[in-house]
Amino acid sequence: GAGVSQSPSNKVTEKGKDVELRCDPISGHTALYWYRQSLGQGLEFLIYFQGNSAPDKSGLPSDRFSAERTGGSVSTLTIQRTQQEDSAVYLCASSRPHYNEQFFGPGTRLTVL
Amino acid sequence: AQSVTQPDIHITVSEGASLELRCNYSYGATPYLFWYVQSPGQGLQLLLKYFSGDTLVQGIKGFEAEFKRSQSSFNLRKPSVHWSDAAEYFCAVVPPSGTASKLTFGTGTRLQVTL
Repeated sequence: GAGVSQSPSNKVTEKGKDVELRCDPISGHTALYWYRQSLGQGLEFLIYFQGNSAPDKSGLPSDRFSAERTGGSVSTLTIQRTQQEDSAVYLCASSRPHYNEQFFGPGTRLTVL
Repeated sequence: AQSVTQPDIHITVSEGASLELRCNYSYGATPYLFWYVQSPGQGLQLLLKYFSGDTLVQGIKGFEAEFKRSQSSFNLRKPSVHWSDAAEYFCAVVPPSGTASKLTFGTGTRLQVTL
């Protein structure tokens, strides 16, 4: 079946603007994760959703970052008032219930000018 | 806190040569262990995983990894490297549980293959 999809693939924005990044997980995968990959910090966990449970937001770097997951499927990561240090590749992953194998999307490359 | 160490930032091997990428972890209990590969401009692809049982794990693309509890290691190996294996390789761990959990990644090893 289809894999994890993310949109847009590339996003260029100006400092101070808000951006929304979208993730569409594999059908039937109830767990959804957001990670960030940047040159200085490597691969960092941001947030994860598991079914109807409260999301684990422990990796969000500031209150400018938020995410939601509608209907247990599609997720949107929102970054408000973007800063240049937000420039990175944002990766989404999903997994089946009670199963730790995560499948990754191709990522969204965010550039903040 | 759990951590993953990949001591080699960059490795260069000749096509046809053998490969070993090192991974060490620090964790209270034996975590679940993974190796992912990332080709330029691509997402992460799972190569193999270890949860329990046989300590030698076979993966895709001819890769294997050996779990050594005494050394807290999970090294990735391939007997004969192909030019298409040039990529970045990440070792990752999650706590050993029956629920989904976030991955903790190593810093990655970039593999260059010379012809």
